[in-house]
Amino acid sequence: GNSVTQMEGPVTLSEEAFLTINCTYTATGYPSLFWYVQYPGEGLQLLLKATKADDKGSNKGFEATYRKETTSFHLEKGSVQVSDSAVYFCALSGLGGFKTIFGAGTRLFVKA
Amino acid sequence: DADVTQTPRNRITKTGKRIMLECSQTKGHDRMYWYRQDPGLGLRLIYYSFDVKDINKGEISDGYSVSRQAQAKFSLSLESAIPNQTALYFCATSDNTGDQPQHFGDGTRLSIL
Repeated sequence: GNSVTQMEGPVTLSEEAFLTINCTYTATGYPSLFWYVQYPGEGLQLLLKATKADDKGSNKGFEATYRKETTSFHLEKGSVQVSDSAVYFCALSGLGGFKTIFGAGTRLFVKA
Repeated sequence: DADVTQTPRNRITKTGKRIMLECSQTKGHDRMYWYRQDPGLGLRLIYYSFDVKDINKGEISDGYSVSRQAQAKFSLSLESAIPNQTALYFCATSDNTGDQPQHFGDGTRLSIL
């Protein structure tokens, strides 16, 4: 079946450190891939997306590249800020239906 | 104003009570969803609706029911609440194409004693 696996958290970094959150997927077909972010007390909001192989999604300094050969969509940021502290969810959709399949989420703490 | 509004934001109730969580949206989307979030489990789909006349069960629908009163409104009910339904509940909407992102409300934190 279709699934998303992301690295377990929490991830704790110091401000200005480099961030990578790993995400791999299993899919029968060619899904669209997403990263959502959830700040404390809020719902999920779209951070970035990529719809086909080798596409790079980017937003707010975050980037992720759709890698079909490794079925991955790792999230990266070159220099994190305290305000990036949140839970990050990798997700896929568009497999001939409606469902969005979410990973379990990775909590990020950034220390000043 | 928020595009997807959930009410209430917080609710504490007792086992056996009937609870209704409400969701309204101004996005103009046909598709609406109810999810449950538990620590370490991510989001699990409870019910979804593609339009007013279409209701479908998700992966964890037992103990829940829904009503799609209008394109903009989608309610979730717990007919007889039990403690293991304590969780954070999210409503979401999306466009009709399969690869569009979902838009979430800010959630309802439900505690059942």
